Amino acid sequence: DVKVTQSSRYLVKRTGEKVFLECVQDMDHENMFWYRQDPGLGLRLIYFSYDVKMKEKGDIPEGYSVSREKKERFSLILESASTNQTSMYLCASSSPTGIGHQPQHFGYGTRLSIL
Amino acid sequence: DQQVKQNSPSLSVQEGRISILNCDYTNSMFDYFLWYKKYPAEGPTFLISISSIKDKNEDGRFTVFLNKSAKHLSLHIVPSQPGDSAVYFCAASGVYGGSQGNLIFGKGTKLSVKP
Repeated sequence: DVKVTQSSRYLVKRTGEKVFLECVQDMDHENMFWYRQDPGLGLRLIYFSYDVKMKEKGDIPEGYSVSREKKERFSLILESASTNQTSMYLCASSSPTGIGHQPQHFGYGTRLSIL
Repeated sequence: DQQVKQNSPSLSVQEGRISILNCDYTNSMFDYFLWYKKYPAEGPTFLISISSIKDKNEDGRFTVFLNKSAKHLSLHIVPSQPGDSAVYFCAASGVYGGSQGNLIFGKGTKLSVKP
């Protein structure tokens, strides 16, 4: 079974803080993704990465950055947290589509509250 | 502009009956479609997928139907069980969405199965 582990289930931070969300997968997947989920808005892609040290902007990258120093780890960084970044953050990983379409597998999510 | 639409925010079904969740898409370049199930405070779980070369895929109680001419897919759950109560997300992938597994998600449909 694919396992995607996010470092925290719940996190509370203050406005202006720098926040790190960590994600680790154990399936040697090349592709990793960060989403946020908000009520009525579905899942929105923040950033993704196809390989170590590679990153691409998703649909809503503003206020976020990412780091992929190792294949199994993909970090999401909130440079200066704001209240509108209160959300459920979801990490996912998948194999590359070069071997055929593959589903993304998600972690449990991190419920982040910015006060 | 929403490329993947789930027009019903919620659906209520009696236990033992059929649940039908619907999804429409606008981009004819999508060639892979997935359904995910999500419980509160957890990440989405991959349920079933279908390639555009098929019109039906079945896995136990879950069947996905694809109508390419109508750009419509549906998920049938038979028989529905109370444990199926969750939010269901439709997702699509293809050349437009990125060549390496990027998914475009609908906003979700909340299914309630009543005993």
